[in-house]
Amino acid sequence: QSVLTQPPSASGSPGQSVTISCTGTSSDVGAYNYVSWYQKYPGKAPKLMIYEVTERPSGVPDRFSGSKSGNTASLTVSGLQAEDEADYFCLSYAGSHNFVFGGGTKVTVL
Amino acid sequence: QVQLRESGPGRVKPSQTLSLTCAVSGAYISSGDHYWSWVRQPAGKGLEWLGRIYASGSAHYNPSLRSRLTLSVDTSKNHFSLKLTSMTSADTGVYYCARVGGVGSTFLEIWGQGTMVTVSS
Repeated sequence: QSVLTQPPSASGSPGQSVTISCTGTSSDVGAYNYVSWYQKYPGKAPKLMIYEVTERPSGVPDRFSGSKSGNTASLTVSGLQAEDEADYFCLSYAGSHNFVFGGGTKVTVL
Repeated sequence: QVQLRESGPGRVKPSQTLSLTCAVSGAYISSGDHYWSWVRQPAGKGLEWLGRIYASGSAHYNPSLRSRLTLSVDTSKNHFSLKLTSMTSADTGVYYCARVGGVGSTFLEIWGQGTMVTVSS
């Protein structure tokens, strides 16, 4: 069982927005601005999409954005495209040199 | 261009020890600019952070695996390794190595392609 809670699935039509939540506790997500998000296609390595809650690595489209409120972080994909259909995982620092992942959310583009 | 590549046996028997190596190219572990991590994805499940190691050999472990997991680094070969003892079917999955963004960073910026490990007699 993953420490951070994500919805198993989310979906949207092309052009729409989808938001994925990642809920932890006051010891991980709520305690640090150290949440990152990863996109993963089946059989492929994860790709960093967002780090430190809101920062976007170079090369990642600005359609991807992150935020946090309390113990819940969120990833929003705006202007959904077919290529955005993938699994998305959140990762949070949990203190004492420990890190925890979310269970992952499968995003479907309808 | 920094690349990471995992290598290992592919299959181990129950109770045996898994040994994996992550070869780094395009960067030097000895630079001390990054931590180096291991992550796995059990079959049909989500990602699990296993641990990270620094060039000095200082390592941090997932508390749930601390008793079974050992990370090491060989800067002369520019690779780092994982040993996981007492393997069971629950350890079957894809194992990834990854580079942490930088000392003090908490995100995994570059990943290897992963290596499948099956625990089976």
